[in-house]
Amino acid sequence: QSVVTQPPSASGTPGQRVTISCSGSSSNIGSHTVNWYQQLPGTAPKLLIYSNSQRPSGVPERFSGSKSGTSASLAISGLQSEDETDYYCAAWDDSLNGPVFGGGTKLTVL
Amino acid sequence: QVQLQESGPGLVKPSQTLSLTCTVSGGSISSGGYYWSWIRQHPGKGLEWIGYIHYSGSTYYNPSLKSRVTTSVDMSKNQFSLKLNSVTAADTAVYYCARLLTGELLSFFYFDYWGQGTLVTVSS
Repeated sequence: QSVVTQPPSASGTPGQRVTISCSGSSSNIGSHTVNWYQQLPGTAPKLLIYSNSQRPSGVPERFSGSKSGTSASLAISGLQSEDETDYYCAAWDDSLNGPVFGGGTKLTVL
Repeated sequence: QVQLQESGPGLVKPSQTLSLTCTVSGGSISSGGYYWSWIRQHPGKGLEWIGYIHYSGSTYYNPSLKSRVTTSVDMSKNQFSLKLNSVTAADTAVYYCARLLTGELLSFFYFDYWGQGTLVTVSS
């Protein structure tokens, strides 16, 4: 079980705004930045958000991230069918001296 | 455009050593500021960081795997490698190599480029 916790599933309808949470502790999210990765079936994870809220080039503006204390969130607005996949948060962990990933959230577009 | 590609046996017998190589193209493995990483994903499960290496040879491993992991860099071939010894069925996973970028004093970090992943099955 990961030290960083995500809900196993989330869902929304097309056009809706959904959020995915990521909860940690003072040794990870509370002290370091958070990244979000999107993983389509059978493919490698893709960087979606870095440094809590920054989008790499090419990532649509409807994806946004935020962090407060020991928790972080990924928000997806204007939900589309192609957003239906797995999402992982990641934070540096001082105890691990390395990155720790959340368990992942499977997003379903109803 | 940086690209990473894993290679190695897809089947390893229990108690033997899993060996994978990641070939980097489109960029030099000796570029400063980057750490070359291994991450695995058990079937249907989440991501687990294994370890990372700097071209200078500095290594950092997940404490849960540290006693069985070795990584190395071959700058002449622009490759880095993973060895995991004494494998069991619990080591069956998709193994990814990835480039890790970190800021000063860990002001930020992220994996920006990933290989496609390679499934390694541990079975007799």
